[in-house]
Amino acid sequence: KQEVTQIPAALSVPEGENLVLNCSFTDSAIYNLQWFRQDPGKGLTSLLLIQSSQREQTSGRLNASLDKSSGRSTLYIAASQPGDSATYLCAVRGGTNAGKSTFGDGTTLTVKP
Amino acid sequence: ETGVTQSPTHLIKTRGQQVTLRCSSQSGHNTVSWYQQALGQGPQFIFQYYREEENGRGNFPPRFSGLQFPNYSSELNVNALELDDSALYLCASSFVSLGVWASPLHFGNGTRLTVT
Repeated sequence: KQEVTQIPAALSVPEGENLVLNCSFTDSAIYNLQWFRQDPGKGLTSLLLIQSSQREQTSGRLNASLDKSSGRSTLYIAASQPGDSATYLCAVRGGTNAGKSTFGDGTTLTVKP
Repeated sequence: ETGVTQSPTHLIKTRGQQVTLRCSSQSGHNTVSWYQQALGQGPQFIFQYYREEENGRGNFPPRFSGLQFPNYSSELNVNALELDDSALYLCASSFVSLGVWASPLHFGNGTRLTVT
């Protein structure tokens, strides 16, 4: 059974700081890993998708890495802004049910002005 | 490109009642999946549909059922509602080609269900 863990559960940083969010998973037989952002009471917004054959993906100030063999991914946010404040979730897709995505419980990020 | 849309946005039901939630997939997508998200937790997989058939189910009882229509829209039905069913219900769509589930999931804004 796939299990996904995100550490830390909450993070507070001053504006302008670079930060790293962590995601670990127990079963390396995945199709891909996807990072999402969720604002309070809202749906999930896709940030980055990394296929199992890839090592990293970049979009603007965001960079996500994947080490499938060790079951780890990181989301790096450069020059954080107050608008980055949200909950960040990672999800891995694959395993016995190919279409199923398993989520962590997220990291709630607060960026203080 | 039209995104994933869900209706209604909010719903209040009484324990024991039945509810139907609706979802329209993103244009060009052929699979739909449903997730339940309790407060402070990550989404939990309920089931997914591909080619109008259930193609995988999470750890949810049979009173959770669904449909996928030829236009790839979908319904989630929950019978005999319980207080613990109160949650945000999220619909996600994606594209599958030749059995490869490599494309990203796109989510709607969810339906907030409250059971009293």
